[in-house]
Amino acid sequence: QVQLQESGPGLVKPSGTLSLTCGVSGGSINSTNYWDWVRQPPGKGLEWIGEISLGGNTNYNPSLRSRVSMSLDKANNQFSLRLSSVTAADTAVYFCAREFGPYVPLGYWGQGTLVIVSS
Amino acid sequence: QSALTQPASVSGSPGQSITISCTGTSSDVGGYNYVSWYQQHPGKAPKLMIYGVRDRPSGVSDRFSGSKSGNTASLTISGLQAEDEADYYCFSYTTYRTYVFGGGTKVTVL
Repeated sequence: QVQLQESGPGLVKPSGTLSLTCGVSGGSINSTNYWDWVRQPPGKGLEWIGEISLGGNTNYNPSLRSRVSMSLDKANNQFSLRLSSVTAADTAVYFCAREFGPYVPLGYWGQGTLVIVSS
Repeated sequence: QSALTQPASVSGSPGQSITISCTGTSSDVGGYNYVSWYQQHPGKAPKLMIYGVRDRPSGVSDRFSGSKSGNTASLTISGLQAEDEADYYCFSYTTYRTYVFGGGTKVTVL
């Protein structure tokens, strides 16, 4: 079965860019149309960040749209998240997820990775 | 877009039934039958419990059920068990193909 694993720096400086990758194992990234990112600040609720389709179409949370970008690397079976101009408010556990079915984008999740924004 | 509105906490005794509400607008919950519910235990990734308002993925107990009326979706847990103690989040498709979570509800089994 397809498994997801987030990776990237656990510490990012304020005003810098957060970059994370989600590796897909046990199956092909071509098996699912949409791939998503979600975050959760410590002790707080979940926030949908956005999604990317196999065709490269993206949909982002309007509150983050000006700072976020996502990309897909089919050759390496992975997809990525970039969030620019980060502040302490971007400190969170970041999850990647894959689609369960149409309009159910968060069917299967990675374990999550904590990213702290601090100097 | 604003987060969907959920009660901060709900509690019940073992064996009882509880219901968690999730209130949105006609642009999200009320406009589409694309509401999902997630269960999250501390330190773990969320788990899909309900999708399409009322459907359960394979392997999810039939003690969990979903419904919707107008702009409010609901998750009912019947025969409450200790293992059901967790945070629960609703999640809805919105206009322009974006999605929004509820603020989350902490379920306590007394």
